[in-house]
Amino acid sequence: AQSVTQPDIHITVSEGASLELRCNYSYGATPYLFWYVQSPGQGLQLLLKYFSGDTLVQGIKGFEAEFKRSQSSFNLRKPSVHWSDAAEYFCAVGGATNKLIFGTGTLLAVQP
Amino acid sequence: DTEVTQTPKHLVMGMTNKKSLKCEQHMGHRAMYWYKQKAKKPPELMFVYSYEKLSINESVPSRFSPECPNSSLLNLHLHALQPEDSALYLCASSQVILSRNEQYFGPGTRLTVT
Repeated sequence: AQSVTQPDIHITVSEGASLELRCNYSYGATPYLFWYVQSPGQGLQLLLKYFSGDTLVQGIKGFEAEFKRSQSSFNLRKPSVHWSDAAEYFCAVGGATNKLIFGTGTLLAVQP
Repeated sequence: DTEVTQTPKHLVMGMTNKKSLKCEQHMGHRAMYWYKQKAKKPPELMFVYSYEKLSINESVPSRFSPECPNSSLLNLHLHALQPEDSALYLCASSQVILSRNEQYFGPGTRLTVT
């Protein structure tokens, strides 16, 4: 069965510091992977997606993610975090069921 | 235009009321979704419409009744809800119902059942 694990429930980083949010998936075939961001009380915004090809994908707002098949991971990175990046981040996988399977989310706090 | 709109933004209703949530997209997408999201949890899929036909119902109680009048509109009719149904209700759309198609989400309707 498909599943997504986000090991970090809550992360705090200083403004200007680098960021890495972890995502591990379980899926037998090549997965379709997504990162979404949700600001408080808002809907989800797509940051980036991976289907195939280049394993390093660029997204909006300066985010990137790297697909590592050997580690079943799709970690999200940003070289320099801004205060406006504080939000909930969800990793998701799409597979055979035509549904999105979401991870439990990582809440990012940014210290000034 | 990659916008999904939802109305109303906030809704407070009693357990005997009937109300409806509305969702609209003009991206030409043929798949539309309803999700329920409780605080500090990921969205939970409720319903999926594909080409205006109900494709997936995730065993949602009958007090929630979806409707897709046309390819741009999606409604969720609410009747006799319980306080535990209070949540953020999110609408989403995608080109078609395929796992590789990204979903675009609306801002949600914050529902409170009293």
